Amino acid sequence: EDQVTQSPEALRLQEGESSSLNCSYTVSGLRGLFWYRQDPGKGPEFLFTLYSAGEEKEKERLKATLTKKESFLHITAPKPEDSATYLCAGADGTASKLTFGTGTRLQVTL
Amino acid sequence: GAGVSQSPSNKVTEKGKDVELRCDPISGHTALYWYRQSLGQGLEFLIYFQGNSAPDKSGLPSDRFSAERTGGSVSTLTIQRTQQEDSAVYLCASSLVGSPDGEQYFGPGTRLTVT
Repeated sequence: EDQVTQSPEALRLQEGESSSLNCSYTVSGLRGLFWYRQDPGKGPEFLFTLYSAGEEKEKERLKATLTKKESFLHITAPKPEDSATYLCAGADGTASKLTFGTGTRLQVTL
Repeated sequence: GAGVSQSPSNKVTEKGKDVELRCDPISGHTALYWYRQSLGQGLEFLIYFQGNSAPDKSGLPSDRFSAERTGGSVSTLTIQRTQQEDSAVYLCASSLVGSPDGEQYFGPGTRLTVT
């Protein structure tokens, strides 16, 4: 059974304090690893798709990386507006669905 | 352009009643997904429609749940004889091509409360 585990469950950072979120996965024949951001009361917002080990993608203060067993979302010099829940999801080689982790709740304070 | 829309945004119903949740995907998106998000849980896949193909219903938790997609656009998720454990946020997403090659765009969700 496909499984995606995210850690930590919650993270509190001060503005400017860089950190990383972890997503470990066991997804049969992984075809894509997705990162989403979800704000309270809203649907998830797409951030990145990673397809193969060694791939990296960046967007503003966020950088996502992928290895054969896990993915990291690095947040550099975060701002309060980066506060949200970050979700990781994997898609296997045959399924039409995404398997999501439970997310990391990030709070960035001044 | 317009994103994925869902209605109603909130629904409170009594145990045993039937409910219908609606999803309007982004125009031109051929794939449509339903997920359920319970407190403290990850998003749980329910059902997937791709074009005219038979839907993937493998995530539906019981036969009380059903969904249809009319004309390749609007979708309705129906829950019959609702139970308290059905309380959750129901999210709809659409994509230009079938997962995993197409990024999924999510609607704001319908919060269902069964009393």
